[in-house]
Amino acid sequence: RKEVEQDPGPFNVPEGATVAFNCTYSNSASQSFFWYRQDCRKEPKLLMSVYSSGNEDGRFTAQLNRASQYISLLIRDSKLSDSATYLCVVNGDSGGGADGLTFGKGTHLIIQP
Amino acid sequence: NAGVTQTPKFRILKIGQSMTLQCTQDMNHNYMYWYRQDPGMGLKLIYYSVGAGITDKGEVPNGYNVSRSTTEDFPLRLELAAPSQTSVYFCASSSEREDTQYFGPGTRLTVL
Repeated sequence: RKEVEQDPGPFNVPEGATVAFNCTYSNSASQSFFWYRQDCRKEPKLLMSVYSSGNEDGRFTAQLNRASQYISLLIRDSKLSDSATYLCVVNGDSGGGADGLTFGKGTHLIIQP
Repeated sequence: NAGVTQTPKFRILKIGQSMTLQCTQDMNHNYMYWYRQDPGMGLKLIYYSVGAGITDKGEVPNGYNVSRSTTEDFPLRLELAAPSQTSVYFCASSSEREDTQYFGPGTRLTVL
């Protein structure tokens, strides 16, 4: 069974600080990795894809470690608006079918003024 | 583009009633999905479709049915609603299996 594990938090972080959290996945054949953001009582929205070489989008940096089977998300200069739940999403190679997307339960981040 | 739209936004059902949750996407995506999300829990896949006329079960299909007569629409049918089906239901779509999924705003369902 494919699993995606995240620390549920909450992470309480002062505004302006840097915060990082990891996610581990169990399916070594996984090919696609994403971070989604979910605000309270809203739908999940794509934050960024995670590429093998790592990628950066403004204050957000995502990295993939295939050997240890984890991905990470780093947020620099955190803003109050970054408060949300961050979902780690792994799309495994199930060999057919569209049920390969596995969502973590999310890490709850609270940015405090 | 409106993206993925869902109706209704909220609904309260009595035990044993039935209803259909509507989902429509205007991105010409082949793949569509239904998830449920319980409080403090992750998303669980109920059903998915890889194209018009093709549907398949996900992780938690019991108590639900789907159909996919067109590329745009993917309704979810609840028969004989039970309190265990109280949840938030999200519809999503993607162009390819491995690609980003786009979610609708969700339907909050309470079964009393």
